[in-house]
Amino acid sequence: SQTIHQWPATLVQPVGSPLSLECTVEGTSNPNLYWYRQAAGRGLQLLFYSVGIGQISSEVPQNLSASRPQDRQFILSSKKLLLSDSGFYLCAWTGSGAERRYGYTFGSGTRLTVV
Amino acid sequence: RKEVEQDPGPFNVPEGATVAFNCTYSNSASQSFFWYRQDCRKEPKLLMSVYSSGNEDGRFTAQLNRASQYISLLIRDSKLSDSATYLCVVTNQAGTALIFGKGTTLSVSS
Repeated sequence: SQTIHQWPATLVQPVGSPLSLECTVEGTSNPNLYWYRQAAGRGLQLLFYSVGIGQISSEVPQNLSASRPQDRQFILSSKKLLLSDSGFYLCAWTGSGAERRYGYTFGSGTRLTVV
Repeated sequence: RKEVEQDPGPFNVPEGATVAFNCTYSNSASQSFFWYRQDCRKEPKLLMSVYSSGNEDGRFTAQLNRASQYISLLIRDSKLSDSATYLCVVTNQAGTALIFGKGTTLSVSS
């Protein structure tokens, strides 16, 4: 069966520090991968998605970047964190093509607090 | 108009009550529709897909009206364990990602 791993679960970082969050998927190949952010009291905002290695689409301009160095690995990064980057970061995957109609599966998330 | 709009609630109901959530979406080209459930400080989890013909899963019934761009979720015989935030979700215009509503909070009390 497919599983998605996301770490760390909780992170407290100072303003201006770098960030690297990792997500990996097991049990499938060529998944579509997504990074979402949920700020306190707000809805999920799509940040990036990827349909293949090295293919990244950005939904909103921001202080973050994403990379997909391997088929089942998705990384979210920042060179210098801002206070506004605080939030609950969620990685998700779905199959390609028709499998998308079955929805996305989310990792357990990383709760980031920038201080 | 926001892409996906939901009444934020909260909906406070007693056990055994029937409760309905509504959602409207702006993109007429959306092809897939879902309801997700999110518990406090947890990741969202798929509750059910929503089809034009309507679909039922136990105490949960979802309906889709494409002409009105309207989605609903009905929960019958509410349980304490149903307390959560329910997210209405549709595909984006390109069909490449899911767009989430802000969610409707349900609190079921004994």
